[in-house]
Amino acid sequence: AQSVTQLDSQVPVFEEAPVELRCNYSSSVSVYLFWYVQYPNQGLQLLLKYLSGSTLVESINGFEAEFNKSQTSFHLRKPSVHISDTAEYFCAVSLGSGGYQKVTFGTGTKLQVIP
Amino acid sequence: SAVISQKPSRDICQRGTSLTIQCQVDSQVTMMFWYRQQPGQSLTLIATANQGSEATYESGFVIDKFPISRPNLTFSTLTVSNMSPEDSSIYLCSVVAGEGYTFGSGTRLTVV
Repeated sequence: AQSVTQLDSQVPVFEEAPVELRCNYSSSVSVYLFWYVQYPNQGLQLLLKYLSGSTLVESINGFEAEFNKSQTSFHLRKPSVHISDTAEYFCAVSLGSGGYQKVTFGTGTKLQVIP
Repeated sequence: SAVISQKPSRDICQRGTSLTIQCQVDSQVTMMFWYRQQPGQSLTLIATANQGSEATYESGFVIDKFPISRPNLTFSTLTVSNMSPEDSSIYLCSVVAGEGYTFGSGTRLTVV
């Protein structure tokens, strides 16, 4: 079975500074990888995903993540954060074959952007 | 991607009662998933609901406590039965749509 580890439960960062949220996964087979964002008192929104192809994936609001198979990682990065990026970020994994299957979530990382 | 309407958005319930949560999807989907997010924690899959068959429950979740209906390809309900304060959580439904998973906005349940 697959699993996800988010190493940091909270990450404080000053506005306009870069940030990296770490995610490592464990699976013996190919996987799909996702980052979801949850703003305060709201539902989950898909930020970006890796299914296949280019290992670098980007979101429309400046985040990017790189699938690194050798390090089994899918870290999320942004070169310059805004106050509006304050939210909880969840890394998630599902099996990459046999059609879509259940998603396993990490424990989440709370990003706090400091003015 | 699909749009999910989940109701109610929040509720406060007395212990020992039951609450049914509804999810309506704007397109036909084969698989629907129900998750629980306990306070300060990540999401845990409760069960997978396919239309025309019984739901498949994850370890630690049972049908008597969380009965699920899936009458057609656009709708599903999750009932939280005989509630206790430990059931206070956010409950979310999810579907596979396009190339990803879409989530409902969640039901914030408080049991008193």
